[in-house]
Amino acid sequence: QKEVEQNSGPLSVPEGAIASLNCTYSDRVSQSFFWYRQYSGKSPELIMSIYSNGDKEDGRFTAQLNKASQYVSLLIRDSQPSDSATYLCAASPSEYGNKLVFGAGTILRVKS
Amino acid sequence: EAGVAQSPRYKIIEKRQSVAFWCNPISGHATLYWYQQILGQGPKLLIQFQNNGVVDDSQLPKDRFSAERLKGVDSTLKIQPAKLEDSAVYLCASSLDRTGVRTGELFFGEGSRLTVL
Repeated sequence: QKEVEQNSGPLSVPEGAIASLNCTYSDRVSQSFFWYRQYSGKSPELIMSIYSNGDKEDGRFTAQLNKASQYVSLLIRDSQPSDSATYLCAASPSEYGNKLVFGAGTILRVKS
Repeated sequence: EAGVAQSPRYKIIEKRQSVAFWCNPISGHATLYWYQQILGQGPKLLIQFQNNGVVDDSQLPKDRFSAERLKGVDSTLKIQPAKLEDSAVYLCASSLDRTGVRTGELFFGEGSRLTVL
């Protein structure tokens, strides 16, 4: 069964610190990877996508992908209380992002 | 641009009753998904439509769940009869999926929260 594993947390970091969220996946044919943010009681929203090994930066967010290790991470720099949410990692066997398999999510709490 | 619309937002039913959820995707989005999200878990894909056709329904419990997408636009997800373990948020999502374009962005609706007593 294809799985995406995440530490459920909560991960607590002080305001201004770097939050590091990790994810592993079991399906070696996965080609595209995504991080979604979900605020309590709200629906998920896409914050980062990554398709190739290495780092991808977008503002305060950096996604890292290592296909050999089947590992994806998300770094949030200068964490803000508004970043407090559940972060869902997702993988797709398609480079076009279809048929996403989601992890259970990591709860992030940023303390001011 | 209007987002993905879902209704009802909340529904409470007794076990063995039936329920239906409705979804209207973003205009022009060819692909529509229904996900089930149980409290504390990530969304689980139930069914994916590409226009009118079903792309993947491998995780849909077909003995009790059914879904249709008429005219390639709106979709309805039905549960009959409901079980206690069906209590969850049912998320509808849509994506553009233009040929040859990487998107991966699913736009989710606010969800329909089902409680089965």
